[in-house]
Amino acid sequence: DGGITQSPKYLFRKEGQNVTLSCEQNLNHDAMYWYRQDPGQGLRLIYYSQIVNDFQKGDIAEGYSVSREKKESFPLTVTSAQKNPTAFYLCASSIEGFSGANVLTFGAGSRLTVL
Amino acid sequence: GQNIDQPTEMTATEGAIVQINCTYQTSGFNGLFWYQQHAGEAPTFLSYNVLDGLEEKGRFSSFLSRSKGYSYLLLKELQMKDSASYLCAVRDLNTGNQFYFGTGTSLTVIP
Repeated sequence: DGGITQSPKYLFRKEGQNVTLSCEQNLNHDAMYWYRQDPGQGLRLIYYSQIVNDFQKGDIAEGYSVSREKKESFPLTVTSAQKNPTAFYLCASSIEGFSGANVLTFGAGSRLTVL
Repeated sequence: GQNIDQPTEMTATEGAIVQINCTYQTSGFNGLFWYQQHAGEAPTFLSYNVLDGLEEKGRFSSFLSRSKGYSYLLLKELQMKDSASYLCAVRDLNTGNQFYFGTGTSLTVIP
């Protein structure tokens, strides 16, 4: 079945450590996105990539980094510079970036807790 | 900017009809989406409106009025499994067609 796989589902991190969240899709989608979800707030865009080897900052990119070396993969690194990293992270993909009636398909999410 | 408002919580009875409203303010409106999200799971796509009017999909319908900056999601014949959060999202041409999400409406269906 086609879909988006995020791992790990749960992750605990000590302050000062970098962690990388994995996101893999087999939908042959061009565009991939990372969102952060916090209680009482809407999904907020961290980074997005519309093509391999290219990505753009979203609204809350500070303290995060990404890479897009392969079409299928868009890992997110939460660095120690991110002041409040505890959150639910959602990866998504779509066929052609933000244009047209493209629907976002989401992964199951990764819940990061900083101890 | 984008201001997307939806009620925080709603409760409805199994078998009934519920309407979840969403209002938005954006200068570059380019579509409104509804997603369903069960706790701890991925949001799943429900409906898309870009023109005024009603879109029907089985038990779920979505309505859009662009002049009023208003949409609603209508759920008929409610089932217990419909208990979930419902996210309203608007796409904005002026920011490269980015999606902007509301905080979500948590719907509880009671017997």
